[in-house]
Amino acid sequence: RKEVEQDPGPFNVPEGATVAFNCTYSNSASQSFFWYRQDCRKEPKLLMSVYSSGNEDGRFTAQLNRASQYISLLIRDSKLSDSATYLCVVTSRGGSTLGRLYFGRGTQLTVWP
Amino acid sequence: DAGVTQSPTHLIKTRGQQVTLRCSPKSGHDTVSWYQQALGQGPQFIFQYYEEEERQRGNFPDRFSGHQFPNYSSELNVNALLLGDSALYLCASSLPLGELFFGEGSRLTVL
Repeated sequence: RKEVEQDPGPFNVPEGATVAFNCTYSNSASQSFFWYRQDCRKEPKLLMSVYSSGNEDGRFTAQLNRASQYISLLIRDSKLSDSATYLCVVTSRGGSTLGRLYFGRGTQLTVWP
Repeated sequence: DAGVTQSPTHLIKTRGQQVTLRCSPKSGHDTVSWYQQALGQGPQFIFQYYEEEERQRGNFPDRFSGHQFPNYSSELNVNALLLGDSALYLCASSLPLGELFFGEGSRLTVL
């Protein structure tokens, strides 16, 4: 079983739409949670961290449910520039205190005019 | 302030050859991680270097090896290349426990 499971999509939505991405993780000991954004043929970039209390950054809202091991990302009022692949990421501590990232396969979003 | 830089950006090799990829971390960062991203997949952790030692390793064979130098730069070496090694190789740097910053990657094609 993979550490992080994501629906790969693709999601095709019109501008202004609200879209939600979900992912699940298998390791209940996972420590930290993130959403990364990756544009076509570019490197992943941190979009936002995810906290149990939920957090919002402008049009983006992230939620974490530790009991269900479930993470979500909501994008409101979609813009053309939101078109990208969104990667769900969790960290797990290894033998040292340095964490490694486990990535889902990503969900592709295309916003059309 | 330069971010994470990787070289080469693109390269083509044939099966059985060896490749070395290089990474210079973001200024002030001392931890370097390497990830492999196959087409249509998320990045997969290869290994992580801190204080010139491999600290953690993902599920990759011994054909994948690395090194970190005193200036914190790093190399990823892959021996006996297979077709399945074709991927984008991403280097990420950070402070311990800090946010990872990724380079633009080295795109390796094995023919």
